[in-house]
Amino acid sequence: EDQVTQSPEALRLQEGESSSLNCSYTVSGLRGLFWYRQDPGKGPEFLFTLYSAGEEKEKERLKATLTKKESFLHITAPKPEDSATYLCAVISGGSYIPTFGRGTSLIVHP
Amino acid sequence: DAGVTQSPTHLIKTRGQHVTLRCSPISGHKSVSWYQQVLGQGPQFIFQYYEKEERGRGNFPDRFSARQFPNYSSELNVNALLLGDSALYLCASSLDALVGGNQPQHFGDGTRLSIL
Repeated sequence: EDQVTQSPEALRLQEGESSSLNCSYTVSGLRGLFWYRQDPGKGPEFLFTLYSAGEEKEKERLKATLTKKESFLHITAPKPEDSATYLCAVISGGSYIPTFGRGTSLIVHP
Repeated sequence: DAGVTQSPTHLIKTRGQHVTLRCSPISGHKSVSWYQQVLGQGPQFIFQYYEKEERGRGNFPDRFSARQFPNYSSELNVNALLLGDSALYLCASSLDALVGGNQPQHFGDGTRLSIL
């Protein structure tokens, strides 16, 4: 059974204070790892897809990296508008079923 | 371009009733998936449909069913509602089936279902 664990559950940062969110996974043959952002009362918004260890992707202040056991979402000089819940999901080989973690709730104070 | 649209946005039902939730995918997307998200948790997969056929089913009871129409829109039906069915129900669409894991899903804003 695929498992995804995200840490920390909640993170409070000051504006400009860089940090990282962690997504640890256990799957049988990773086919893809996805990062989403979810604002309160909204559906998840797609951010990145990573396919193999060593891969990195960037978008504005966000950078996602992938190893064989975990993925990190690095947030550089965050702004209050980066406040949201960040979700990680994996799809394993032969499975159509994405498994989501519980998310990290990020609050960035001005 | 319109994103994934879901209706209704909010719904209140009582135990034992039946509910139908609707989803229209992004134009050109052939795959629709349904998720249940309980407060404080990540989305949990219920169904995936591709070209009107069920391609995946999560660990949900038979009270949950779905279908996809020729225009790729979809309905999620839940019978004999229980208090524990209270949740945000999300629909996501993608260009193709999830095989290979290379298709990001695009989510609607969900239907908030409350069971009294």
